[in-house]
Amino acid sequence: EAQVTQNPRYLITVTGKKLTVTCSQNMNHEYMSWYRQDPGLGLRQIYYSMNVEVTDKGDVPEGYKVSRKEKRNFPLILESPSPNQTSLYFCASSLSGYPYNGQFFGPGTRLTVL
Amino acid sequence: DAKTTQPNSMESNEEEPVHLPCNHSTISGTDYIHWYRQLPSQGPEYVIHGLTSNVNNRMASLAIAEDRKSSTLILHRATLRDAAVYYCILRATGNQFYFGTGTSLTVIP
Repeated sequence: EAQVTQNPRYLITVTGKKLTVTCSQNMNHEYMSWYRQDPGLGLRQIYYSMNVEVTDKGDVPEGYKVSRKEKRNFPLILESPSPNQTSLYFCASSLSGYPYNGQFFGPGTRLTVL
Repeated sequence: DAKTTQPNSMESNEEEPVHLPCNHSTISGTDYIHWYRQLPSQGPEYVIHGLTSNVNNRMASLAIAEDRKSSTLILHRATLRDAAVYYCILRATGNQFYFGTGTSLTVIP
């Protein structure tokens, strides 16, 4: 089954404790992206990757890191999480970065930083 | 970045057509218009996209104004399962996505 998977689905952590949220897709997609969703603010893009080893900042990249060493994986790294990073995070992928491709989204990761 | 404007909320009766509007007055010639929807407690789901011509698929239809400054997502017969937040976004090659806050559709039985 074609899908985007995220782990963990739920995470409660404390300020300053480094964490990684994994994202994997099995569709051989070139383009991958991370979003955060907060009440009243909709979905905001954090980082995106056009292909392996190619990443770029979205709207809200501060406090996050990403890497794209393999086509299927696009982990989101919070080196020193803070309470304002408490949010619902979505990973997405699409066949390419061309604008005629739609995105497939993962189920989301709910992160709470205390 | 080109952005979109949508009503915050709309209501529709079940089994009636729904027309969800979107304004994108700053659209550029190469921007595609995409629609996504997000059901409660789920990730967004791709619905449809288009460039200049109207588009149909099994989920919905997309009507694009001749000047491309607005578009309308049409659900032909709303069901309770169509209750969701609908996002209209513009997409250019390689550019970031900007989702906005979308239109929350309520379907009344």
